Amino acid sequence: SQTIHQWPATLVQPVGSPLSLECTVEGTSNPNLYWYRQAAGRGLQLLFYSVGIGQISSEVPQNLSASRPQDRQFILSSKKLLLSDSGFYLCAWSATRSGSGGYTFGSGTRLTVV
Amino acid sequence: KQEVTQIPAALSVPEGENLVLNCSFTDSAIYNLQWFRQDPGKGLTSLLLIQSSQREQTSGRLNASLDKSSGRSTLYIAASQPGDSATYLCAVTPGANSKLTFGKGITLSVRP
Repeated sequence: SQTIHQWPATLVQPVGSPLSLECTVEGTSNPNLYWYRQAAGRGLQLLFYSVGIGQISSEVPQNLSASRPQDRQFILSSKKLLLSDSGFYLCAWSATRSGSGGYTFGSGTRLTVV
Repeated sequence: KQEVTQIPAALSVPEGENLVLNCSFTDSAIYNLQWFRQDPGKGLTSLLLIQSSQREQTSGRLNASLDKSSGRSTLYIAASQPGDSATYLCAVTPGANSKLTFGKGITLSVRP
């Protein structure tokens, strides 16, 4: 069966420090991968999605970047964190680009920038 | 632009009550609709996935229906339990692209 892993679960980082969040998927190949952010009191916002290795699409201009160095690995990064980067970050995957088979989410990373 | 609305934002019911959570979307051209559950501080757990060609899906005490023409879906929870307390999110996969669009969720509290 397919599983998705995210780490770390919780992270407290000072303003201006770098960030690296990792997501991996097991049990499938060539997944479509997504990074979402859920800010307090707001809905889920799609940040990045990837349909293949090295292929990244950004949904909103921001202080973050994403990379996909391997088929089942998706990384969210920042060179210098801002206070506004605080939030709950979720990785997800789908088998098809259209998401016709549904989406599966990871357990999330709670990022607090202080 | 697809918009998904879930009203009310919060709901409190006594244990044992049957309840319906509503979801509406503005563009009927969807591939599917998915209901998720989110416990505080946790990720999203998929509850039910309804394909655009389907009218409903059932899993245990949960039943989700889809009416594409009216842009509505409902999640029916039978005999609610305190363990059902969580935030329930509705999300649609638009027909034109892969951007899953979420509602803001309904926070359900089931009182013992």
